[in-house]
Amino acid sequence: AQSVSQHNHHVILSEAASLELGCNYSYGGTVNLFWYVQYPGQHLQLLLKYFSGDPLVKGIKGFEAEFIKSKFSFNLRKPSVQWSDTAEYFCAVIRTGANNLFFGTGTRLTVIP
Amino acid sequence: DAMVIQNPRYQVTQFGKPVTLSCSQTLNHNVMYWYQQKSSQAPKLLFHYYDKDFNNEADTPDNFQSRRPNTSFCFLDIRSPGLGDAAMYLCATSRTSGGHRSTDTQYFGPGTRLTVL
Repeated sequence: AQSVSQHNHHVILSEAASLELGCNYSYGGTVNLFWYVQYPGQHLQLLLKYFSGDPLVKGIKGFEAEFIKSKFSFNLRKPSVQWSDTAEYFCAVIRTGANNLFFGTGTRLTVIP
Repeated sequence: DAMVIQNPRYQVTQFGKPVTLSCSQTLNHNVMYWYQQKSSQAPKLLFHYYDKDFNNEADTPDNFQSRRPNTSFCFLDIRSPGLGDAAMYLCATSRTSGGHRSTDTQYFGPGTRLTVL
């Protein structure tokens, strides 16, 4: 069965620290990959996505993610976090041609001013 | 300029009392989804409409039904809510791309938090 793993449940960083959130998925076929963010009290918003092409994708607010097919990974990075990045981050995977988006359990990021 | 709207944002119902959650969209997307998200868990797809075609996930309980009267609206009906159905219910929309059933990015509404007493 298809699954998505986010190994970090809660990450606490100081402002200006670098961020990397891990995401691994288990599906051998072609996939589309997403990172969504949920700020406190708000709805899920798309940060970035990978469908094809350059495996290093850039999203909003300075986030980027790298798709490494051999490792089944799609880690999220940001070189310098801000207090406003405090939120829950969800990795999600969908098999190309399908409609079922599989989510990881989420990583809560707390940035301390 | 809300794009995916869910009403109500908070719903309280009694054990066994039917409840309906609603979702509307201004994106004119042809695919609409309902997800259930329990506390500290990932959102889980219940079903989706591809245009008028209803697609139920294999493990979605019969207690959950859905209606899509037109492109803009989709409803989630819980016929006899149990305590285990307390959760956040998320509606999402997307559009097909490339002339086949592959769908583009899903856009989510704010969710309805359901409490069952």
